[in-house]
Amino acid sequence: DIQMTQSPSTLSASVGDRVTITCRASQSISLWLAWYQQKPGKAPKLLIYDASSLQSGVPSRFSGSGSGTEFTLTISSLQPDDFATYYCQQYNSYFGTFGQGTKVEIK
Amino acid sequence: QVQLQESGPGLVKPSETLSLTCTVSGGSISTKYWSWIRQSAGKGLEWIGRIYSTGNANYNPSLKSRVTMSVDTSKNQFSLKLSSVTAADTAIYYCARDVESGGWFPDAWGQGALVTVSS
Repeated sequence: DIQMTQSPSTLSASVGDRVTITCRASQSISLWLAWYQQKPGKAPKLLIYDASSLQSGVPSRFSGSGSGTEFTLTISSLQPDDFATYYCQQYNSYFGTFGQGTKVEIK
Repeated sequence: QVQLQESGPGLVKPSETLSLTCTVSGGSISTKYWSWIRQSAGKGLEWIGRIYSTGNANYNPSLKSRVTMSVDTSKNQFSLKLSSVTAADTAIYYCARDVESGGWFPDAWGQGALVTVSS
C-alpha cells in the first residue's frame, strides 16, 4: 500500500491568513494526487486533482502543487467557509489511499 | 449534475452481511466507474472497491475476501455487500462516481450512510 502522511494534523489560523498543508507519499505517485474538503456531517468535496488542477466551481484561492512524493495545498486568503478538514488522496494505483486529514480551526 | 444516494439498513448484527445500494440520478450509470468508500474514527477514509458499469470490479486487498459489488444498469444503481461484519466495520459508507486521470478518483459523492454493527 502507498501510505499518505499529512502535516500538520491540526492548524489554527485567522481569516485572511495564507495556509499551507503538506501531504507526503511513501513512494512516488507522479502527479496523481487529489485534495478534498470535508465539513462536519458532509461528504468530502473535490478541490484539486492531478496535484494542481482546480475542480470546476472551486474558488481560485485554493491551489495545489508538487510531484513525486511531496505535495502542498495552499489557501491564499482563508475565508470563514474554509474552516474544515482537508484530505489528500493518491490514485497512482487502482487502490487509492487517503491521508489522515488536517483540521483547519479558527485561531 | 449527478447525484448519488445511499440506502440500506443502519444497524447490522455481528457476523451478518452489510448491504447498501447507491441510486444515481442526473446521469447514466453506464460507461462510468463507481466506488464505495467508508469513514470511521479509527481508520479514517478507506477505499472499499470500484465497479465499472459492465460489472468488472476491483477491491481493497484488505477487504477483498468479504466484499462483493454489483451494478444494475436498468435501475441506475450499484450495490455493496460486506460479509461477516464486526464492530470494526462500523462506519459512514459513501458511494461515489470515479473519474479517470492517471488513475481513478471520486469527483462526486453521496451524502453517506451510517452503518453500525452491534447485536
